[in-house]
Amino acid sequence: GQNIDQPTEMTATEGAIVQINCTYQTSGFNGLFWYQQHAGEAPTFLSYNVLDGLEEKGRFSSFLSRSKGYSYLLLKELQMKDSASYLCADDSWGKLQFGAGTQVVVTP
Amino acid sequence: DTAVSQTPKYLVTQMGNDKSIKCEQNLGHDTMYWYKQDSKKFLKIMFSYNNKELIINETVPNRFSPKSPDKAHLNLHINSLELGDSAVYFCASSQGQGKGKTQYFGPGTRLLVL
Repeated sequence: GQNIDQPTEMTATEGAIVQINCTYQTSGFNGLFWYQQHAGEAPTFLSYNVLDGLEEKGRFSSFLSRSKGYSYLLLKELQMKDSASYLCADDSWGKLQFGAGTQVVVTP
Repeated sequence: DTAVSQTPKYLVTQMGNDKSIKCEQNLGHDTMYWYKQDSKKFLKIMFSYNNKELIINETVPNRFSPKSPDKAHLNLHINSLELGDSAVYFCASSQGQGKGKTQYFGPGTRLLVL
């Protein structure tokens, strides 16, 4: 987790957009996963980026810049159920290294 | 339901005891993992098995011993439990190992050592 950096917490209102940034060490890098984890539950897969650029999946999009060691997860049209921790994970050397997660709090 | 399942969900025990956590997946995957999520929420890989063979063994005390009787099961036995072992332990599985393999997580086992 020490090689992955993401903000600890972000707060936004329902209907808004939030962007969660993640930086990682580029050595041995393969790809970048995003997982969502609701309190007391298992992490669930959201996206995997290997190539540079933006990948859109409904209200959630994920972006990768390999040269900059940077990714972001974009959550659009926020809903209350999106309140959760979002984990960035670097797929390097055949295993996942997770960040500490960004706690997103959605307010009415 | 196709899923990764773990038992027990909660485990409260005294220091020095020995305990086991079980994991089963019916997704037909050939690779299984154990992760530890501590109070700071870092999810850290402990072990990984592919087709019952150990492929990842991170710096974990040898009080922790994984066992994979078959591809669908990966159990974790912990000897002489310590206070610092208190955490949530997640099992996960994937089809194949290495690059870009999406891992699917079980619900977690919340271990509290008193």
